[in-house]
Amino acid sequence: DQQVKQNSPSLSVQEGRISILNCDYTNSMFDYFLWYKKYPAEGPTFLISISSIKDKNEDGRFTVFLNKSAKHLSLHIVPSQPGDSAVYFCAATSAYSGTYKYIFGTGTRLKVLA
Amino acid sequence: DAGVTQSPTHLIKTRGQQVTLRCSPKSGHDTVSWYQQALGQGPQFIFQYYEEEERQRGNFPDRFSGHQFPNYSSELNVNALLLGDSALYLCASSKRNEQFFGPGTRLTVL
Repeated sequence: DQQVKQNSPSLSVQEGRISILNCDYTNSMFDYFLWYKKYPAEGPTFLISISSIKDKNEDGRFTVFLNKSAKHLSLHIVPSQPGDSAVYFCAATSAYSGTYKYIFGTGTRLKVLA
Repeated sequence: DAGVTQSPTHLIKTRGQQVTLRCSPKSGHDTVSWYQQALGQGPQFIFQYYEEEERQRGNFPDRFSGHQFPNYSSELNVNALLLGDSALYLCASSKRNEQFFGPGTRLTVL
């Protein structure tokens, strides 16, 4: 039962353009969402998060949008840079209801072309 | 400020053996979670430790056990290793909602 889904295994974007990574979830109890970036041979690096009381959170070039009714979130990277090439994971948890486990998607490999 | 550290970085074991992986959390963090990441998959939650107790557990058999020490560091033990236990084992520490990951331990079971 895959509660967090990233349906695009890979994405290629030209440098300077926008990268949009998508994530869908099925569990309506999820109330906190995170995006991580992972380079080979390293652990995931936290990028940005969003609580279910918001629909948008921005941090520099990274913006996360949350559509609760569609159970969908997306990560926008503008402008995309070659150093952004990595695997991106979305994760979800029920932080405010006392559940502590994070459920991760299977990841999207982003390649930013110079 | 040191981040999350894990040891060893790589490990090769044979079926039936036991393994212990170690994790030191980021300074100021009191909670440690362990994840298993198989090739091509996202991290799968194994369990979380807080105040030296297992607070929550994922869908992993009892062969997977852990411990948290008073200094918040943690160990993951896996008994009776199977070929399918070959994976990257990630430790994450947290104080509130954001989990910060270590570089992982790559376990290969032959």
